[in-house]
Amino acid sequence: SYEVTQSPSLSVSPGQTASISCFGDKLGNKRVGWYQQKAGQSPLLVIYQDNRRPSGIPERFSGSNSGNTATLTISGTQAMDEADYYCQTWDSSHWVFGGGTRLTVL
Amino acid sequence: QVQLVESGGGVFQPGRSLRLSCEGSGFTFSSYGKHWVRQAPGKGLEWVAFISYDGSKKYYADSVKGRFTISRDNSKNTLSLQMNSLRVDDTAMYYCADPDFSNYYFDNWGQGTLVTVSS
Repeated sequence: SYEVTQSPSLSVSPGQTASISCFGDKLGNKRVGWYQQKAGQSPLLVIYQDNRRPSGIPERFSGSNSGNTATLTISGTQAMDEADYYCQTWDSSHWVFGGGTRLTVL
Repeated sequence: QVQLVESGGGVFQPGRSLRLSCEGSGFTFSSYGKHWVRQAPGKGLEWVAFISYDGSKKYYADSVKGRFTISRDNSKNTLSLQMNSLRVDDTAMYYCADPDFSNYYFDNWGQGTLVTVSS
């Protein structure tokens, strides 16, 4: 079965750019979404189709996907962006999540 | 967006069965597929099952295939997950979720219902 992996944690200072990566075999040939999950809350879709933002998601969230790596980029990271972030793709009628990356803003 | 409300969670013994429900509001419930996604305490998200808008297509994660059954009753705006032969590692928050227009992503989530499997 297809798998995607993420680094478990990332720390950035407020105002810096956070880049969260997701790795999978030929992931660039698949569509990738990203979810933000804050403590005690349900996940929220922040990027779909590699680089599209749902309505209401701030412009500082962007995405890319090429080769074996998809990346979620948060420009000008704010304290409110501190959360767990999950990448997700689809393969053979299975929806697949990465293990998540905990973003700390300090 | 349609509001999704899960119910049926609690504490259950290994080997037992339980049925989770997800009630959706709004007249569009029957127009779209539905998913169950779970999250073990302190762990990541795991997709569990999908059912098409009319119930004709069902897909399951390998970890639950043969033990869990997803179903829906569009006349009652209700999604269900029948969970049999429960295992300790089924302990998780269970979310129902709506797919987006492409059916690749999850763009609407319920608040979840917690299932604990313990002897």
